[in-house]
Amino acid sequence: TQLLEQSPQFLSIQEGENLTVYCNSSSVFSSLQWYRQEPGEGPVLLVTVVTGGEVKKLKRLTFQFGDARKDSSLHITAAQTGDTGLYLCAGVTGGFKTIFGAGTRLFVKA
Amino acid sequence: ETGVTQTPRHLVMGMTNKKSLKCEQHLGHNAMYWYKQSAKKPLELMFVYSLEERVENNSVPSRFSPECPNSSHLFLHLHTLQPEDSALYLCASSQERGLGYEQFFGPGTRLTVL
Repeated sequence: TQLLEQSPQFLSIQEGENLTVYCNSSSVFSSLQWYRQEPGEGPVLLVTVVTGGEVKKLKRLTFQFGDARKDSSLHITAAQTGDTGLYLCAGVTGGFKTIFGAGTRLFVKA
Repeated sequence: ETGVTQTPRHLVMGMTNKKSLKCEQHLGHNAMYWYKQSAKKPLELMFVYSLEERVENNSVPSRFSPECPNSSHLFLHLHTLQPEDSALYLCASSQERGLGYEQFFGPGTRLTVL
């Protein structure tokens, strides 16, 4: 069974702080995606990383795919209250199957 | 606006009821998905349809019955559900398969089974 473990499960920080969330698996994925889900909404894709060792930046968010394509991290610099939400990583296997982690719930306090 | 709509947004039903969830995508995609999201658990893939044919069925109990009449519409028919089936049911669509394809999600239907 392919599993994606996300850590931490919950994170509460002050505005302006930095944070990193992790996504780990024993399985190799074709690509890995990060989604953000806000209350009452479905997940929205933030980024897809495809190549082992790849680093992608989206404004204050930095995403990294592990060299072996089994793990990933999301780093947020100078968090803002608008970053509050549930962050989901998802490993894409062959075909249509995408394996989701349980998510990291981030709360950024003003 | 994600381009994927789901109705109803909230549903409360008894264990003997029959109801249906509806999903519609306006993105011209050719694959549609049903997921179950429970608190503190990963999204569980339930069904996948590609070009209106079911290509994935992840050991879902028969009390859940999907229907995909065309590439824009997806239904999930529910009957004799159990309280543990209470969850957020998410519909998603994507364009074909391939490395890093993006799934567009609807807002979900919050289902409560009494």
